[in-house]
Amino acid sequence: DAGVTQSPTHLIKTRGQHVTLRCSPISGHKSVSWYQQVLGQGPQFIFQYYEKEERGRGNFPDRFSARQFPNYSSELNVNALLLGDSALYLCASSVQGRPGPYNEQFFGPGTRLTVL
Amino acid sequence: QQQVKQSPQSLIVQKGGISIINCAYENTAFDYFPWYQQFPGKGPALLIAIRPDVSEKKEGRFTISFNKSAKQFSLHIMDSQPGDSATYFCAASHGSSNTGKLIFGQGTTLQVKP
Repeated sequence: DAGVTQSPTHLIKTRGQHVTLRCSPISGHKSVSWYQQVLGQGPQFIFQYYEKEERGRGNFPDRFSARQFPNYSSELNVNALLLGDSALYLCASSVQGRPGPYNEQFFGPGTRLTVL
Repeated sequence: QQQVKQSPQSLIVQKGGISIINCAYENTAFDYFPWYQQFPGKGPALLIAIRPDVSEKKEGRFTISFNKSAKQFSLHIMDSQPGDSATYFCAASHGSSNTGKLIFGQGTTLQVKP
């Protein structure tokens, strides 16, 4: 079975630009969560979508938005990029909405975004 | 109250030794505590997880010890191997929350010397 896939693998943008990151969950998983991992730190929660509805939003500005499609894949959009947006963006999928012993979150390899 | 504090930041252990990583939390509503292992260039992978109704969980060489009254939990890696060299993150999720939010610690970089 394929795991969580993310595209692109790497991305270089300049300040002020817009970026779209994509995630395909494991087949059968209906929940997708997005995390930002700055170098040397733990992942920070950005969004969760479950059954195409936003279920949670972390402490990120409105420049960050996301959506989930009918096939449960997801996009993360970031507008007006800042240097501080440089990070590894991780997508995680799970069967249900709430993390727990029978609802493990599986992470993809991430998209490395560099903002110059 | 939403933080999970992890220590040490880095750890060097000899092959065959025991690696111990500690985490502490404040929010008593947390009810799920996973540990993730991350290799360079990869996403985090679940290693082992525990709920607060048990004090210890063991899977192979990996053990979580949980102290509910102290609001602390730790990961023990027995017989540490060079292949265990990675960054380890503890995490927690909120019991009454309906979201998929995991709150991660800052990470511990483990180096196991041959």
